[in-house]
Amino acid sequence: AQSVAQPEDQVNVAEGNPLTVKCTYSVSGNPYLFWYVQYPNRGLQFLLKYITGDNLVKGSYGFEAEFNKSQTSFHLKKPSALVSDSALYFCAVRDTGFQKLVFGTGTRLLVSP
Amino acid sequence: NAGVTQTPKFQVLKTGQSMTLQCAQDMNHEYMSWYRQDPGMGLRLIHYSVGAGITDQGEVPNGYNVSRSTTEDFPLRLLSAAPSQTSVYFCASSFPGGLYAFFGQGTRLTVV
Repeated sequence: AQSVAQPEDQVNVAEGNPLTVKCTYSVSGNPYLFWYVQYPNRGLQFLLKYITGDNLVKGSYGFEAEFNKSQTSFHLKKPSALVSDSALYFCAVRDTGFQKLVFGTGTRLLVSP
Repeated sequence: NAGVTQTPKFQVLKTGQSMTLQCAQDMNHEYMSWYRQDPGMGLRLIHYSVGAGITDQGEVPNGYNVSRSTTEDFPLRLLSAAPSQTSVYFCASSFPGGLYAFFGQGTRLTVV
């Protein structure tokens, strides 16, 4: 069965510094990997995805993610954090066939001014 | 605006009461699903549907029923609410083979 792990409950970073939110995955075949963001009292918004191709995926709001097959990781990154990036971030892997997403436990990102 | 609409946004129930969480999408998506979000546990799949008339269980289906009579609507029914069902519920939809899902704003349910 597919699974994802987000080892950090919270990540703290100062505004302007680079940020990384970690995600590792376990799948039996080729992974379809996603990052979603949840702002307070809002639904989940799609950030970016990896299906195939280039290991560095660019997404919304200046975020990018690096797919590393040997380390089974899909870390979310941004070169310069903004206070407005503070939110809950979820990594997810898509199950085979149906669009059934398996989510990690989430990482709260806190960007301080 | 196009998207996934959930109602109500907030609800308080007494133990043993029943209710239906509504979910509607206007994007003609065939796939729809319900998740619950609990602290430290991420989102867990309750039930899903691959098209009108077809539903199946997800990871945590106990205590919930669904039906899919139309493409647009996918209601989630709580048969007899329990405090363990206190959670935030999200509905999602996508096209078959679509590369990502669209989520509603969520319903925050408290069972006392």
